[in-house]
Amino acid sequence: ETGVTQTPRHLVMGMTNKKSLKCEQHLGHNAMYWYKQSAKKPLELMFVYSLEERVENNSVPSRFSPECPNSSHLFLHLHTLQPEDSALYLCASSQQTGDEKLFFGSGTQLSVL
Amino acid sequence: DAKTTQPPSMDCAEGRAANLPCNHSTISGNEYVYWYRQIHSQGPQYIIHGLKNNETNEMASLIITEDRKSSTLILPHATLRDTAVYYCIVRVFNYQLIWGAGTKLIIKP
Repeated sequence: ETGVTQTPRHLVMGMTNKKSLKCEQHLGHNAMYWYKQSAKKPLELMFVYSLEERVENNSVPSRFSPECPNSSHLFLHLHTLQPEDSALYLCASSQQTGDEKLFFGSGTQLSVL
Repeated sequence: DAKTTQPPSMDCAEGRAANLPCNHSTISGNEYVYWYRQIHSQGPQYIIHGLKNNETNEMASLIITEDRKSSTLILPHATLRDTAVYYCIVRVFNYQLIWGAGTKLIIKP
């Protein structure tokens, strides 16, 4: 248990659906991240939030929309996804951006049909 | 692109030391070496990091060569639960981690 909880663990959605991934951290951290891990590809950083403000957006398509209502919660809203968006989506947190130690959740395995 | 090179896979007998190598020949003077691991169906887990001195914690030891062009992560007494993908990453402080493919370590009974 790392203190970072992601729900749901698995999600299957059609290309026209809208769904949201949720991440919650109980560590008192100020920075939160979304990563994407596709099969046989390295982890890719998608978004970085520091104290609820987005500080980095790594050229992610607009069909992925992050939301950080407070420093403990992070959402990733999904709409009109493509099959190639199927991947493991990982949330992480750290004391602050640039901190050497990231704490990851177990991820949401997303399948887009 | 990742700035590190790791073997794609390694085996180690349970109870023995697992030594995982990493080459980072283009590392700059202010770049740290980080190690994470990812056990199947879980998110990555931080193990250790260092700049130029060797480091040890409750999980592992990190040995960095004097020229800093390579390093070795040592798990002193590997158990079956250490089976995972191990990632070696170099990063300038305050910049994002760039992940590579890692080494798949299999601990055999």
